Amino acid sequence: RKEVEQDPGPFNVPEGATVAFNCTYSNSASQSFFWYRQDCRKEPKLLMSVYSSGNEDGRFTAQLNRASQYISLLIRDSKLSDSATYLCVVNFGNEKLTFGTGTRLTIIP
Amino acid sequence: NAGVTQTPKFQVLKTGQSMTLQCAQDMNHNSMYWYRQDPGMGLRLIYYSASEGTTDKGEVPNGYNVSRLNKREFSLRLESAAPSQTSVYFCASRTGGGGKLFFGSGTQLSVL
Repeated sequence: RKEVEQDPGPFNVPEGATVAFNCTYSNSASQSFFWYRQDCRKEPKLLMSVYSSGNEDGRFTAQLNRASQYISLLIRDSKLSDSATYLCVVNFGNEKLTFGTGTRLTIIP
Repeated sequence: NAGVTQTPKFQVLKTGQSMTLQCAQDMNHNSMYWYRQDPGMGLRLIYYSASEGTTDKGEVPNGYNVSRLNKREFSLRLESAAPSQTSVYFCASRTGGGGKLFFGSGTQLSVL
């Protein structure tokens, strides 16, 4: 089993809709969690960190469920510019940052 | 500000050739990373260095070696390239303790 797993998609969502992704991780001792966004043929960029109490940044909401060992990303009122691949990242401790395989999102006009 | 500088951007090798990918960061970061990205596979960790003088294996270290030359530089070496190492390679760094990853722009490597 991979240490960090995501549904690869693709998710094809109409503009304005709400979409959510989950990411599961294998190690209950994992220390910190992030969502990154990657556009085609570019380097990944930090979208947001994920905090234990959940956190929001504009249209984006991240949640952490330590008991079930998953993190989630919710995007509200989706825009065409949200089309990208979304990658979850888990710090398993000692600075070992592991990426999920990514979820590809396409927003349809 | 340069951030993370990765060279070369493109490289074509023949099977069995060797090469070194260079990475340097000017942000005084403690941690540095090498990832490879293949279609449908996400980014897979090859090696990482949590601090100057230390290196550790990631998910896919076989066929690679690394050197943390100093705090700024972290190189990745392919001693005998194989077609399975055709990939896009990303170097990254961060401060450690929760800071975000800063990435280089990637190296597209093809092994024929």
